[in-house]
Amino acid sequence: NAGVTQTPKFQVLKTGQSMTLQCAQDMNHNSMYWYRQDPGMGLRLIYYSASEGTTDKGEVPNGYNVSRLNKREFSLRLESAAPSQTSVYFCAGGRSYEQYFGPGTRLTVT
Amino acid sequence: EDQVTQSPEALRLQEGESSSLNCSYTVSGLRGLFWYRQDPGKGPEFLFTLYSAGEEKEKERLKATLTKKESFLHITAPKPEDSATYLCAVQEDSNYQLIWGAGTKLIIKP
Repeated sequence: NAGVTQTPKFQVLKTGQSMTLQCAQDMNHNSMYWYRQDPGMGLRLIYYSASEGTTDKGEVPNGYNVSRLNKREFSLRLESAAPSQTSVYFCAGGRSYEQYFGPGTRLTVT
Repeated sequence: EDQVTQSPEALRLQEGESSSLNCSYTVSGLRGLFWYRQDPGKGPEFLFTLYSAGEEKEKERLKATLTKKESFLHITAPKPEDSATYLCAVQEDSNYQLIWGAGTKLIIKP
């Protein structure tokens, strides 16, 4: 059991470029989440998916889009990257009161 | 404004030196409070859920307690492998989203 996997682990983008962060879980969770983590701040929810085919905005959704492709996969897309999106991105699965996190993607936008 | 504040930001202890980490919160109604551990370069790992004032949970050298305004994570006779960042999060009655603290970085010196 891999739990929650994320790709890539590291990425450098130039301002205006686009990319998709991939996340997959093998724990059969209905709910999945995308967070960003910045120094000195708590994790902030970007988007949430309660089940396949449904997504909801979190605290900081601007500049991002998501796709819940199936029960296993939940992707995060940056259409036009900005330096303010430099962060570590975590995907998680599980119930709100017990979430299982992936290893993260460290994204730098120059 | 709902918020979660963790203190101290960092704590250095000698191996075997017991101490406590604090998580204070202000929300209108608490559904649950959660403690996670995060190792460098990894995603957070779930430790405990506390639901009501007076509740306690234990796991190895860690014990979490909850009052109406704060939670403590007590570490008894810590070992170097307990070194990590400890994150606290709360969930309000009316919202599935978690509000995260910025974390306490714990360093245990041998």
